[in-house]
Amino acid sequence: DIQMTQSPSTLSASVGDRVTITCRASQSISSWLAWYQQKPGKAPKLLIYKASNLESGAPSRFSGSGSGTEFTLTISSLQPDDFATFYCQQYNSHPNTFGQGTKLEI
Amino acid sequence: EVQLVESGGGLVQPGGSLRLSCVASGFTFNSDWMSWVRQAPGKRLEWVANIKPDGRETAYLDSVRGRFTISRDNAKKSLYLQMNSLRVEDTAVYYCASIGVDYGDYFDNWGQGVLVTVSS
Repeated sequence: DIQMTQSPSTLSASVGDRVTITCRASQSISSWLAWYQQKPGKAPKLLIYKASNLESGAPSRFSGSGSGTEFTLTISSLQPDDFATFYCQQYNSHPNTFGQGTKLEI
Repeated sequence: EVQLVESGGGLVQPGGSLRLSCVASGFTFNSDWMSWVRQAPGKRLEWVANIKPDGRETAYLDSVRGRFTISRDNAKKSLYLQMNSLRVEDTAVYYCASIGVDYGDYFDNWGQGVLVTVSS
């Protein structure tokens, strides 16, 4: 199985900050990567698919980049509603697998 | 508005069975691949199973193959997960999710989740 590793595991930031979360795959996954946001006790919400495509309805301050084995999720200007845990997911090969999560804290 | 509503979770002893259900609305259910994804307490998300729109093709995580069965009833806009021979390590919140319209198994809509606890 492809292993997905996110860094950092926890990130402290303030409203208005620009933040970047990194996701690394144990082998190349081309651009088959998605990003999700999850708040406590809630279901994940899709933000980005195919590494850089913004899901309909997701705020434009979220952007994704990368290909191969290294990917980033960037939030251009943090808003109060953005504090949550973020997960990457590869869907290049079966079984699709998720990173361990990055908790974004105030 | 897309809605996925799960039910059927609860407490079960090791070796027992449970059947999860998910009712869909707000999209063309019979056109979409569907999945179950789970999350053990404090752990990362884990894909469990997929099913093709017509129900004729399925895929499973190795650790549940032979114990879990995914199925669907398109007339009822419902997805199911029959879980047999449950283990303590199957304890998790189980989410019903639809697979995105672009190529590949990413998940564009999720239910609120249902808790399954396997314990003696």
